[in-house]
Amino acid sequence: EAGVAQSPRYKIIEKRQSVAFWCNPISGHATLYWYQQILGQGPKLLIQFQNNGVVDDSQLPKDRFSAERLKGVDSTLKIQPAKLEDSAVYLCASSPPASGIQETQYFGPGTRLLVL
Amino acid sequence: GDSVTQMEGPVTLSEEAFLTINCTYTATGYPSLFWYVQYPGEGLQLLLKATKADDKGSNKGFEATYRKETTSFHLEKGSVQVSDSAVYFCALSGNNDMRFGAGTRLTVKP
Repeated sequence: EAGVAQSPRYKIIEKRQSVAFWCNPISGHATLYWYQQILGQGPKLLIQFQNNGVVDDSQLPKDRFSAERLKGVDSTLKIQPAKLEDSAVYLCASSPPASGIQETQYFGPGTRLLVL
Repeated sequence: GDSVTQMEGPVTLSEEAFLTINCTYTATGYPSLFWYVQYPGEGLQLLLKATKADDKGSNKGFEATYRKETTSFHLEKGSVQVSDSAVYFCALSGNNDMRFGAGTRLTVKP
C-alpha cells in the first residue's frame, strides 16, 4: 500500500514570496490533516479535512495560509506571502474513513520550508 | 486546553540499556494516547497507542500504559538498540484535536 505522498521535499524562498505544497493521502482515507512542525517542537495541526469539507481550521493563519481539497483526494496548502517565522516542516497525514481524529494517522515525509 | 508534556532530551544511552521517556497529559474527557516515532529523514510513524485507562500499547519491544490516575503514558523499552535512535513524540487526541509533545531525541551508542 502506498503511503502519504508529499512534494516538494524541500523549498527555499524569500520572505513575501508565495509557496504551495501538495499532498496525496493513502487511497481511501477520507480524513486529511496539515501540520506545521517548527524545529524543536511537536507538530501543530493547521487544518483538518473530512472528504472535501473543512472540519477544523481554527489554528490556520487565514490571512496568509490557505488550503483546499477540491475533489476529496489530494490537497494543496499555500502560503502567501511567506514570513520568516513560517520556516518549518509541513506535514500531511491521513486517516481511514469514519474514524476521526482518534484513529491512527499516517504521515507523509514532510516538506521542509526555509524562508530567507 | 488539552496538552502533552514530555521529557526533555536529548537522551543518550548505550546499547541494551533500559529506556524510559516520560509523558504526562492534561485533558478533559477521555482522550486516546499515542507514541509516534520519527527516524532520521523519515516521516512520523505510529509506534503504539492506547484508547482507554489501563490499556497497554506495545510494539517492537516498546510499551506504554495509559494511567488515568497519574495522567501519564510513559514509554519504556527493556533493551534499546542502535536502530532505535530517533525522535519520539507523545500525543493525545481528544475532542476533534490532536496535540503533540515537543519530542524527545534518543541516541543509542554501540
